[in-house]
Amino acid sequence: DVKVTQSSRYLVKRTGEKVFLECVQDMDHENMFWYRQDPGLGLRLIYFSYDVKMKEKGDIPEGYSVSREKKERFSLILESASTNQTSMYLCASSSRGFNEKLFFGSGTQLSVL
Amino acid sequence: AQKVTQAQTEISVVEKEDVTLDCVYETRDTTYYLFWYKQPPSGELVFLIRRNSFDEQNEISGRYSWNFQKSTSSFNFTITASQVVDSAVYFCALSEAPNSGTYKYIFGTGTRLKVLA
Repeated sequence: DVKVTQSSRYLVKRTGEKVFLECVQDMDHENMFWYRQDPGLGLRLIYFSYDVKMKEKGDIPEGYSVSREKKERFSLILESASTNQTSMYLCASSSRGFNEKLFFGSGTQLSVL
Repeated sequence: AQKVTQAQTEISVVEKEDVTLDCVYETRDTTYYLFWYKQPPSGELVFLIRRNSFDEQNEISGRYSWNFQKSTSSFNFTITASQVVDSAVYFCALSEAPNSGTYKYIFGTGTRLKVLA
């Protein structure tokens, strides 16, 4: 069964901490995405990557960075976590092509105190 | 600019009722794809359907059906004889052909469907 796996389902961090959210896919997909989901705002794209070491900013990249050293792994980094980054974070992957469906992980609910 | 509007924030129905979830999109492109995803309480979004801009044929899959109308820029989703297991948040999404080799999907804000037993 194909899978996108996010390392943590729930995470609690303190303001100012550096936070790593990990995502691994086993489908050999070229594209990987990080979204943030907030009530009333839907899914907003933070970053996406279309190849190893390649990345593009999404709609809300401020305060975040990403890393893609291997094709199957896409990491989201919060350099200095803030309370307004408390949210549900969703990772997704897809084959190359804008018509391809996304496969999602189960999400990480991050709370920054 | 791309935009997807799901005006219905939350809908409650009684089991066995039919329910339609609305999706209106904006795009300047002639080539694009529309999607519906379901997010159950477990959190993982699951793909339901994909439609390209050149195919306006309606689609039915069991109790689910989709009505795509380019004239009104709508891609509505109907669940017939709803069941409690249909309770979830449903997202409509749009993807356009890329200009620069990169692209992204635009999601609506989602509609929470509650089916009451």
